[in-house]
Formats: sequence, C-alpha cells, structure tokens
Amino acid sequence: QSVLTQAPSVSGAPGQRVTMSCTGSSSNIGADYDVHWYQQLPGTAPKLLIYGNNNRPSGVPDRFSGSKSGASHSLAISGLQAEDEADYYCQSYDSRLSDYVFGTGTKVTVL
Amino acid sequence: EVQLVESGGGLVQPGGSLRLSCAASGFTFSRYWMSWVRQTPEKGLEWVANIREDGSEKFYVNSVKGRFTISRDNGKNSLYLQMNSLRVEDLAVYYCARDQGGRRRQYRDYWGQGTLVTVSS
Repeated sequence: QSVLTQAPSVSGAPGQRVTMSCTGSSSNIGADYDVHWYQQLPGTAPKLLIYGNNNRPSGVPDRFSGSKSGASHSLAISGLQAEDEADYYCQSYDSRLSDYVFGTGTKVTVL
Repeated sequence: EVQLVESGGGLVQPGGSLRLSCAASGFTFSRYWMSWVRQTPEKGLEWVANIREDGSEKFYVNSVKGRFTISRDNGKNSLYLQMNSLRVEDLAVYYCARDQGGRRRQYRDYWGQGTLVTVSS
C-alpha cells in the first residue's frame, strides 16, 4: 500500500498549467523529509523529474516545478505539451517504516 | 552515459528462488548507493532494498526481510538481488536504480529498463 496519496488523474489542454499534489503524514512529508518526483512515460521506466522538493536535474525543462505548501507538496507543469502525457509519482522517506515511500501516482492526460 | 541493465527475471513457482542482476556502466559504480524498486499495476512503485557503496549497509522493506538479499560486486560493476521463498505478491517489474543523497533524503536519479518477475504455479 502506498503511503503517499496523489489524485488518480489530472488533465489539461496544450499550453495550460496543471498541478498535482502529494500528501502524507507526520512520519514522512509532515516530518519535513524531502519530496522527489518521477515521470513515467507509457511502457518505460520512471525518470527523475524533481529532487529535493524543487530542484530539476539537468535536461528537465523548466516547465516542471515542485513546491511545498504546509504539509502538502505539489508538482506543476506549465505550458502543457502532448509529450507530458505520463504517470507522475512522488517519493519521500518515512521514519516510522524506515523506508522510502512512493505516492499512488497521478496520470496526466493532455486533451 | 549512465546505463543500468537488469537481467534474471522470469517465471518461478511460489516458494522458488530467482537472482536478479544489474550491470552498471557510465559512472563510478563503487561511489554510489544502489537500490532495487519494484512496480505492479495494483500496488504501484515500491522500494525494495538498497545497499551502501561498499556493501557494508543494507536496508530492506519489511515485506522482503529474511527472504531477499541485496549485494554488489564493485569489481564487476554489478548489483544483485537474491530472492528466495518467492510469493505470488512478489510478482512485479523490478528496477535497478542509482541512489543520490543522504540516507533520509535519498532519491533515484537513474533507472534501468526493468525485468519482470512472475510468481505463479
């Protein structure tokens, strides 16, 4: 069972801005552990998109951004493109489990 | 270019064993923690285990403790996952991944293409 909760799906038209959230509990996100985001295109392995809450690896477009608000973290995609259609997962650390935990995933559909 | 290539997946009966391998290239393997992560449509992504650069520390998710063993051979730039007493719920695509960051802030910055493990009678 995933410990971090994400909305199952979000959609937007090309050029629009979409956001998705990642919520957890006091033993993971609420304990201020870093949140990281991965993009998984259909039929491929996950790819690191955002690390340390709001840092982009080299090669990731600046259309992707991570932020934190209270006990929730969010991933935003600005200027949505057809190639952004994928599943997006958040990941953090859980001190109660002493494990790395992933979110349930959000499927982004470009209309 | 960083490359991680898994192998060793396949069909195994419940209670059986399987050994996964991951061949790493394009970076200094001995300087990185490494992880195994698995994925199923039902449970999504699940971190399975990771191992310190020199193999001196290993961590596992509770569900595989005592059944799975992670290991590495830095001389061969290879990561392994020995899976014993396999259960139907271990059915998944298993990914090898490179870790970055300190213990409680770690993330996976490169992933292999995955290898499918099917547990069925």
